[in-house]
Amino acid sequence: DTEVTQTPKHLVMGMTNKKSLKCEQHMGHRAMYWYKQKAKKPPELMFVYSYEKLSINESVPSRFSPECPNSSLLNLHLHALQPEDSALYLCASSLESPRSGNTIYFGEGSWLTVV
Amino acid sequence: KNQVEQSPQSLIILEGKNCTLQCNYTVSPFSNLRWYKQDTGRGPVSLTIMTFSENTKSNGRYTATLDADTKQSSLHITASQLSDSASYICVVCRGGTSYGKLTFGQGTILTVHP
Repeated sequence: DTEVTQTPKHLVMGMTNKKSLKCEQHMGHRAMYWYKQKAKKPPELMFVYSYEKLSINESVPSRFSPECPNSSLLNLHLHALQPEDSALYLCASSLESPRSGNTIYFGEGSWLTVV
Repeated sequence: KNQVEQSPQSLIILEGKNCTLQCNYTVSPFSNLRWYKQDTGRGPVSLTIMTFSENTKSNGRYTATLDADTKQSSLHITASQLSDSASYICVVCRGGTSYGKLTFGQGTILTVHP
């Protein structure tokens, strides 16, 4: 099983809503990531969790709040988003950090539209 | 500045033909280089990972090369298929830290026509 599963696949939310994106992997990976990808652009790193602890926050606005309840799950809580936050949100995981040369597996993404 | 530049930006080829995509990087210190394939609206899929000591790595019809001296990599696709139409992204991992920050190229959009 080399899958990273993301739900929901599509999400439309208003600027005052609170919603969450979920990500799950059962490969025993200790590093998990959230990326944001706009159309025709490469993915941009948002957060990295290593051994269930937040290790990197790429200066992401506080309206995005990550959570790692256990080694298999990663959530991204969304609150008071702006229309420019509309994008494809990708979850990824790897056995260890990218420096170790491990494959990073990406999920299919959650398409977020903020109206 | 740590950058990854890919060329061409887009490429159109006929089914069955070969093609080569280029990646130049200035990321330093270097840890590893990855090529990903991303279909429209889907997550990237890893094709190859190469470390400093590896010159060539193959994955089916995909062959990646790395010249760490000139800081260049290429991805060669042989006998292209319609399903090869996608964006191909070169990603370089920086060493020197415990994490290994990834720098993404802008991607090459490949279109394979029948």
